[in-house]
Amino acid sequence: GDSVTQTEGQVALSEEDFLTIHCNYSASGYPALFWYVQYPGEGPQFLFRASRDKEKGSSRGFEATYDKGTTSFHLRKASVQESDSAVYYCALGDPGTGGYKVVFGSGTRLLVSP
Amino acid sequence: GALVYQYPRRTICKSGTSMRMECQAVGFQATSVAWYRQSPQKTFELIALSTVNSAIKYEQNFTQEKFPISHPNLSFSSMTVLNAYLEDRGLYLCGAREGLNQDTQYFGPGTRLLVL
Repeated sequence: GDSVTQTEGQVALSEEDFLTIHCNYSASGYPALFWYVQYPGEGPQFLFRASRDKEKGSSRGFEATYDKGTTSFHLRKASVQESDSAVYYCALGDPGTGGYKVVFGSGTRLLVSP
Repeated sequence: GALVYQYPRRTICKSGTSMRMECQAVGFQATSVAWYRQSPQKTFELIALSTVNSAIKYEQNFTQEKFPISHPNLSFSSMTVLNAYLEDRGLYLCGAREGLNQDTQYFGPGTRLLVL
């Protein structure tokens, strides 16, 4: 079945550092890819999406480019802030036969220190 | 913008009792609602998918007898956890999608279920 792999369980950075969180997917065709962010005590918040090869999604300074060749959708931000500390989930959309569902990666906890 | 509310935010129930949780879409029509459970280890499990004018589809390991769902209109869905036990604890999330051709699911804040 479809799956999403996030290799980093936790990333610790200082403010103004460059961020990369790796995301690779396994699915047939061109699934829609998403990044969500989850803060403590909250549900996952939609950040952005992409659905075509080379399409870039972006929001709040975060960005990721859909790469069909490497089956990746890595999250990047040029300069992180302490307020970016949260858990980030890469996900893909699976139309399936029973209705549309979202398959989440395992999440990456980002800790940004001042 | 697309907002999803869930109620209650947190609930505690005794082992063997049941509790109902609600999901409300505001600002858009939720043609499709998905219920997930996020475990204490933060992994997501899809419980069921509910699409307007279609039967509710439950994932393996989840049944209508245990997690009955109601999706009476395009803005509201509810799910009940029947006979809750310790393994049912977690954060129950409602994800709503606007339009059958839209692929983005918007999530509510979740209902955290604690079972004593």
